[in-house]
Order: sequence, then structure tokens, then C-alpha cells
Amino acid sequence: NAGVTQTPKFQVLKTGQSMTLQCAQDMNHEYMSWYRQDPGMGLRLIHYSVGAGITDQGEVPNGYNVSRSTTEDFPLRLLSAAPSQTSVYFCASSPSQGVDWGYTFGSGTRLTVV
Amino acid sequence: KQEVTQIPAALSVPEGENLVLNCSFTDSAIYNLQWFRQDPGKGLTSLLLIQSSQREQTSGRLNASLDKSSGRSTLYIAASQPGDSATYLCAVSHKLSFGAGTTVTVRA
Repeated sequence: NAGVTQTPKFQVLKTGQSMTLQCAQDMNHEYMSWYRQDPGMGLRLIHYSVGAGITDQGEVPNGYNVSRSTTEDFPLRLLSAAPSQTSVYFCASSPSQGVDWGYTFGSGTRLTVV
Repeated sequence: KQEVTQIPAALSVPEGENLVLNCSFTDSAIYNLQWFRQDPGKGLTSLLLIQSSQREQTSGRLNASLDKSSGRSTLYIAASQPGDSATYLCAVSHKLSFGAGTTVTVRA
């Protein structure tokens, strides 16, 4: 089925560990983005990409890195996990940035940092 | 910086009642506005997308209006059912800015 696939669905990390959250889409969307969702705060934009080789920071980029080597994949790297990064992470894609198209979301990765 | 506010934060209604969910935003220079549904522990499902040039969109029992000049959107859900219980989020683009959501409970 076409859509946005996120892996893993659940992850527990120890403080200081690093890991990569995977996001892949098969809709040939140019725009991809990462959000974190915390209780009572809605979704906040971490990083986004308007196409392969182009990334930029969102509202809360500290502690996270991204790269976009292909149109399909947009991994999110946690460099040194901290308890404050405990959250649910969502990846989203769109044919382009805003304008005439809506966004498709993955099912999320629930991350706990202990 | 775009600020998106959803009021109320939570809503409980008896089955059959119409639902009215509000979303306001501070910067009227938006490309579009999207309403999502989120079930507990799940991802976001897109419900309706309203382009900046449109005033409303309808899908089944759902109707969403958009007033850019006043920075407001309203989602109407007619004849609510227990299956409508979820959190409803609005977001404005171009870089999606989300409200915190309205959690709806429909009592059987």
C-alpha cells in the first residue's frame, strides 16, 4: 500500500545512546518532514526537506540530524539521546510544500529515553 | 511565527448531537488548512483539506469552513457517533503548524 512507513514503532534508549528513526515514502513526494508530539503541545516541526539533498531546520531541531540522499527516504538521527527527547515522532510527506496538496503521515515511532 | 489554537481542549457530547470544533491562527498568509483525526496511540488521518482560496469543504458528515481574514476555521461533524471519539487536529501550511487538538468523546 502506498504511504509513509516509519520504523521502528517502539524504541527504548539509554541516555547518551544514538539511533536513527527511519521514514520512507513511495508516493514520489518531494516534501518530507519530521514532527514530535508531546502531551498538550500538539506537533512540533523538527526538520524538513523540500527535495533530495536539501534539508532545513524546523521549530525544535536541537539534538537531531537529518539527511535526504534519495526522494524516498528521510531518516532522523538522535545524536546523544536525552530524557527530554522522550516523545512520539511522526514523519510526513507531501507532493510539494503546501499550496495545493495535503500531507500524509506515518503511524509514528514511540521513543522512551531512560 | 504562526500560532494555532484549538478551543475547546476537550468536548463530551451525547450520541446524535452535532459537534463544532474551532481552530484559530495568527498569520492569515496560509496556503491551506488541513483537519486531521488521531485515535489514541495512532497516527494522523487526514479528514479535509481546504485551499486558501476556498471557503469550505465537505465530506460526508464533515464540513469545514475557512475564514482567512479572521484567522478561523470550524469543523462541523453532524449527528455524532461513538466512533467519532478521537482527537481532532487542525494544521496550517506551508510548513505545517499544528494546534494542540480537541479531544472528543461521544457518549452512547
